[in-house]
Amino acid sequence: EIVMTQTPLSSLVNIGQPASISCRSSESLADRDGNTYLSWLHQRPGQPPRLLIYKVSYRFSGVPDRFSGSGAGTDFTLKISRVEAEDVGVYYCMQSTQLNTFGQGTKLEIK
Amino acid sequence: QVQLVESGGGVVQPGGSLRLSCGTSGFTFSRYDMHWVRQAPGKGLEWVADITFDGSDEFYPDSVKGRFAISRDNSRNTLYLQMNSLRVEDTAVYYCARGGVDFWGQGTLVTVSS
Repeated sequence: EIVMTQTPLSSLVNIGQPASISCRSSESLADRDGNTYLSWLHQRPGQPPRLLIYKVSYRFSGVPDRFSGSGAGTDFTLKISRVEAEDVGVYYCMQSTQLNTFGQGTKLEIK
Repeated sequence: QVQLVESGGGVVQPGGSLRLSCGTSGFTFSRYDMHWVRQAPGKGLEWVADITFDGSDEFYPDSVKGRFAISRDNSRNTLYLQMNSLRVEDTAVYYCARGGVDFWGQGTLVTVSS
């Protein structure tokens, strides 16, 4: 089983400031088909998760461009260029290269 | 628009069974792999089961393998999760999600308690 490890587990950020979340996998997520199946999801309290980023760096439809994803192999990063109040909640990375595994989640709060 | 609606949750005793359903609309269901994902109270997300678009393959983590079974009826645009030998630790909100986890339902709560 591929283990996904996120850091930090919580983050306190001022509105308008950047935020960054890291996700490390226990094995390379590069698939034989040339794709890397690493996604980022956001969950607000009481809501289902919603997809932000898929295949490392592709923003899902309707996701603001202040969200960006990067990385390769086993190390990946989600960046928010300027945090807004609506960005609070928990962020998860998820790999789908070998079955599916989620990271533990990173809670983002506003200072 | 794409919609997924879970149903069938409730309270069940340890060792009991429950069948969840996920009705879908707004997309061609038979073209997509589908997932079940769960979230225990106050905890993170855990993948529970996958099924290919045509139902030919199913995948499970070790935590539910042999106890849970995912299935689908493409004529009814509906996904199912049969849960047997339920344990207290299976208590969670169960979500269905479209392949690629691009769309999710609101979830249905399963509580396993005596």
